[in-house]
Amino acid sequence: GDSVTQMEGPVTLSEEAFLTINCTYTATGYPSLFWYVQYPGEGLQLLLKATKADDKGSNKGFEATYRKETTSFHLEKGSVQVSDSAVYFCALSTYTGTASKLTFGTGTRLQVTL
Amino acid sequence: DGGITQSPKYLFRKEGQNVTLSCEQNLNHDAMYWYRQDPGQGLRLIYYSQIVNDFQKGDIAEGYSVSREKKESFPLTVTSAQKNPTAFYLCASSIVRGYSGGGFSGANVLTFGAGSRLTVL
Repeated sequence: GDSVTQMEGPVTLSEEAFLTINCTYTATGYPSLFWYVQYPGEGLQLLLKATKADDKGSNKGFEATYRKETTSFHLEKGSVQVSDSAVYFCALSTYTGTASKLTFGTGTRLQVTL
Repeated sequence: DGGITQSPKYLFRKEGQNVTLSCEQNLNHDAMYWYRQDPGQGLRLIYYSQIVNDFQKGDIAEGYSVSREKKESFPLTVTSAQKNPTAFYLCASSIVRGYSGGGFSGANVLTFGAGSRLTVL
């Protein structure tokens, strides 16, 4: 079945450091790929997405490129801020009927310190 | 503003009791979903519904039940048969594939509510 593997956290960085959170996937067909972010006590918010190979999703300084050859969708940001502290989830989407079925990774907690 | 409202935010239940979590959306989305979140396990799909009066089991449906009598509402009941119900529950919604506007763009983007935390005493 479909699965998503992402690096375990927590990841602790100083402000302005470079961020990489690794994500690899296993899926049949051609899934869409997502990064969602969850701030403490809240639901998930879509951060960025890519729908086909070589697409780059970007938002708020975060980027991820859909790499079909390595089945990866690593999240990067050049300079993190304290406000980026949250849990980040990588996910893939396939369709079941007309509804979308998301398969999530286990999440990576990011803590950014001054 | 459009969004998803989940209630209650916190809920405590005694063993053997059924509880119902509310989920309401005003996004005019046809599809709605319930996920369960446990520490270190990511999110797992409980039930989903693509249209009113229809729903399907997800990966961990045992011990849960749902109804979809209105497009806007998708309540989840955690029954006494659920052996380990303490968790954070997230409701989500999306447009469906083939929605007006052509193509599939956006049909796989889920909007989430703020969640309900259930604790069994």
